[in-house]
Amino acid sequence: DTGVSQDPRHKITKRGQNVTFRCDPISEHNRLYWYRQTLGQGPEFLTYFQNEAQLEKSRLLSDRFSAERPKGSFSTLEIQRTEQGDSAMYLCASRQGQAPDIQYFGAGTRLSVL
Amino acid sequence: SQQGEEDPQALSIQEGENATMNCSYKTSINNLQWYRQNSGRGLVHLILIRSNEREKHSGRLRVTLDTSKKSSSLLITASRAADTASYFCATVLMNTGFQKLVFGTGTRLLVSP
Repeated sequence: DTGVSQDPRHKITKRGQNVTFRCDPISEHNRLYWYRQTLGQGPEFLTYFQNEAQLEKSRLLSDRFSAERPKGSFSTLEIQRTEQGDSAMYLCASRQGQAPDIQYFGAGTRLSVL
Repeated sequence: SQQGEEDPQALSIQEGENATMNCSYKTSINNLQWYRQNSGRGLVHLILIRSNEREKHSGRLRVTLDTSKKSSSLLITASRAADTASYFCATVLMNTGFQKLVFGTGTRLLVSP
């Protein structure tokens, strides 16, 4: 257990529905990342927060995706009007912001869009 | 897009044998990290090597980095069944202040008792 919590662990939804995932980082970590991993591939970066500010977004993050980190603590990732192509593992990671540059990952939320 | 590729894609060995995985990447890096992922779970950080380092050890792990060839290798010595997992290299690119990780495609390691 790395100390990063993600909820839910699994989510099955129908195409067109909205889903929201939550990530609770390690408490003293002010940097937070979201990644997406499809089957058989390595994770791909989605977005980055420093405290409550979203400072970087990947082109993978279409306008159906939105992420927030109110008060610089937990973060949510929402996907609107889900599509089958959104089926993946969504991973959250946090980092303290000082060397060493290690990110600590949660166990992920596996999304299946039917 | 993935930064690099790992080789082999899959590796099957017996307990006690050594396992070597290779990672190639495309652009200049600040550091390179190796992560392990058990089936369907999150990633666990194994080891970090900075661009000015050539070799690093941690327990049964040995990592080398050759920046001229843009490649790295991970050696696991005296493997155990519990080492069965997917292994990913991840790079932190130069001049990216927010330190995003760019992962390779991974090596699936199977260690049989």
